[in-house]
Amino acid sequence: AQTVTQSQPEMSVQEAETVTLSCTYDTSESDYYLFWYKQPPSRQMILVIRQEAYKQQNATENRFSVNFQKAAKSFSLKISDSQLGDAAMYFCAYRSRAGANSKLTFGKGITLSVRP
Amino acid sequence: NAGVTQTPKFRILKIGQSMTLQCTQDMNHNYMYWYRQDPGMGLKLIYYSVGAGITDKGEVPNGYNVSRSTTEDFPLRLELAAPSQTSVYFCASSYSRGVNTEAFFGQGTRLTVV
Repeated sequence: AQTVTQSQPEMSVQEAETVTLSCTYDTSESDYYLFWYKQPPSRQMILVIRQEAYKQQNATENRFSVNFQKAAKSFSLKISDSQLGDAAMYFCAYRSRAGANSKLTFGKGITLSVRP
Repeated sequence: NAGVTQTPKFRILKIGQSMTLQCTQDMNHNYMYWYRQDPGMGLKLIYYSVGAGITDKGEVPNGYNVSRSTTEDFPLRLELAAPSQTSVYFCASSYSRGVNTEAFFGQGTRLTVV
């Protein structure tokens, strides 16, 4: 079974600085998707960024980028120029590419606070 | 475009009562999921479905049941509610493959069992 591990329960960053959130996963599959979701106090789950395992290039979305290390099964999220609105809980998630076992598995999450 | 709609948003149940959490999506997604999120914790998968007529257990299925008779709807049934089922429940849906495979989430249902 696939597992997703986020070992840091909390992190803090100064406004305008850069922070990296860690995520590792365990799988025997070669083709899959990885995601980072943001959950602000409103509870709404918001997609931050996605990565397809077959793509070697790291995904980027404005101030958000990932460091995808397939061999190490690592998928970290870097937030540049942190803003107060980035404060939220962040979840790493894994999904098989397709098939009957395509459940979406989440890590336990990390709470990010941003200091003004 | 409504996306994923969950009802109700809030509910208080007494121990032993039953209820159905409704979830419907209008994006023609074939995959649908139910999660529960306890305070300060991550999302735990209850049940999921890869298409109409197909459902499977996640990591915490006990005390719940689901059905998927149509592509759009994926209701979650709680039988004999217990205090341990106090949580926030999220329904989500996604495409199986393609460019946009991320899950879209409903706004959640906050359930309290007293």
